[in-house]
Amino acid sequence: GENVEQHPSTLSVQEGDSAVIKCTYSDSASNYFPWYKQELGKRPQLIIDIRSNVGEKKDQRIAVTLNKTAKHFSLHITETQPEDSAVYFCAASEPWGSSNTGKLIFGQGTTLQVKP
Amino acid sequence: DGGITQSPKYLFRKEGQNVTLSCEQNLNHDAMYWYRQDPGQGLRLIYYSQIVNDFQKGDIAEGYSVSREKKESFPLTVTSAQKNPTAFYLCASSMPFGTSGTNPQYFGPGTRLLVL
Repeated sequence: GENVEQHPSTLSVQEGDSAVIKCTYSDSASNYFPWYKQELGKRPQLIIDIRSNVGEKKDQRIAVTLNKTAKHFSLHITETQPEDSAVYFCAASEPWGSSNTGKLIFGQGTTLQVKP
Repeated sequence: DGGITQSPKYLFRKEGQNVTLSCEQNLNHDAMYWYRQDPGQGLRLIYYSQIVNDFQKGDIAEGYSVSREKKESFPLTVTSAQKNPTAFYLCASSMPFGTSGTNPQYFGPGTRLLVL
C-alpha cells in the first residue's frame, strides 16, 4: 500500500520568511495530493490540493509543487505570518481500482512556528 | 466543514464500557471516514464507508465498530476491546471518487475521548 513520509517534523521561521515542507510517496499510481492545516485542538482544514496531471498550483501565499518522477510534492508558504503557525499534514490518495478505494494516506505532520 | 458535526466534544469512558461517537453531515457526501489522532501524531484510518449499508476496515479497526444506516450519519462505537482508547477522534466526508479522481475530505470538529 501507499506510504507517505513528511519532512521536517518541526520548522521554525521568522515572520516574512518562506517555509517549505516536503513529502514523498511510494505508489506511483497515487493521483491526488491534499495539504491540511491543523491548529491546536481544532480539526484539519484543507488548504490546497493538487492532482497528478498538474505540476504546480498556487493560492495567494501558498503553493504546492508535484514531481511525479521523483514521487515527491512540497508545500511552499511565502511571507509567513504568525497565524500560519500550526501543524501541516500532507496526504496521498491511493488510486481507485478493484483493490484500492482512493483513501488518503497521511504524513506524520510538520509543526510550523512563525516567530514575530 | 460547517456541514459536518460531531458529538460530544468530550467523552469519558469507564473501564469495560462501550461508548458511541456521533458524526453527521448535511453535505450530501456519499463517503465518510473515521480517524484517530494521538498527541503529536498523524491521522490513522479506523473505518470508512463509501455508500449506505457498506463500510470497510481501515488500518486500526480492532476494538471499534461502525454502522452506516443513513447517508448523513456514520457513528463510531469504541468497544471495551479497545484497550487504549484515549485519543482525538475525527470524522470526515467526501464526494465519491469521480472522473477527475479522488475528491477532498472535509473534517468535523472532533471528539476527545478520555478514560476514567
